[in-house]
Amino acid sequence: EVQLLESGGGLVQPGGSLRLSCAASGFTFSSSAMNWVRQAPGKGLEWVSTISGSGDSTYYADSVKGRFTISRDSSKNMLYLQMNSLRAEDTAVYYCAKAGCGAYCYNTFDYWGQGTLVTVSS
Amino acid sequence: DVVMTQSPLSLPVTLGQPASISCRSSQSLVYSDEKTYLNWFQQRPGQSPRRLIYKVSNRDSGVPDRFSGSGSGTDFTLKISRVEAEDVGVYYCMQGTYWPLTFGGGTKVEIK
Repeated sequence: EVQLLESGGGLVQPGGSLRLSCAASGFTFSSSAMNWVRQAPGKGLEWVSTISGSGDSTYYADSVKGRFTISRDSSKNMLYLQMNSLRAEDTAVYYCAKAGCGAYCYNTFDYWGQGTLVTVSS
Repeated sequence: DVVMTQSPLSLPVTLGQPASISCRSSQSLVYSDEKTYLNWFQQRPGQSPRRLIYKVSNRDSGVPDRFSGSGSGTDFTLKISRVEAEDVGVYYCMQGTYWPLTFGGGTKVEIK
């Protein structure tokens, strides 16, 4: 059974940093691209970032480019999102999502975690 | 960016009746491999999103067959043949053909 468990969310001041983690199990981690998707309170879904199965390719939404860094540790089956220079508009539930089509395939998400809430406020 | 426009925003439905959600993209979602990467997700209240449909019309394992997806190019539809109480929630379309990946704004399905 595929499981994705996010952690690391919390309250942070504007300009601060936070690192989110996602523990993956139930599938061959290195064979799947992975993603972060966020949802602001009461709002819709927004894709944030994607990383290939090997970690050699990364993609970012313009809204986070230069501030967020996605990475993965396949030895630990872990996905990360390092978030710097946080803004109020980054407040959201952040979901880890598995790509549903392989290590270098990015067009769908077949499994989602339960999410972790990040609140950016003074 | 490809803009995904869903309608309606809200869809009150009587139990047992059909429901239909439209999703339109600002440009064709046909990729160079001739496949169309259009997905549908369901988000029940208080839950994470769940994929229902991928590549326009392929239903995920465990998804009831009352859900179906159709369409081509820029116009897509999610249909529920007979709405059940467990179908309440917000439905999102998402395109995977172009970077950045983009979602529609969502359609809230509720019971009348």
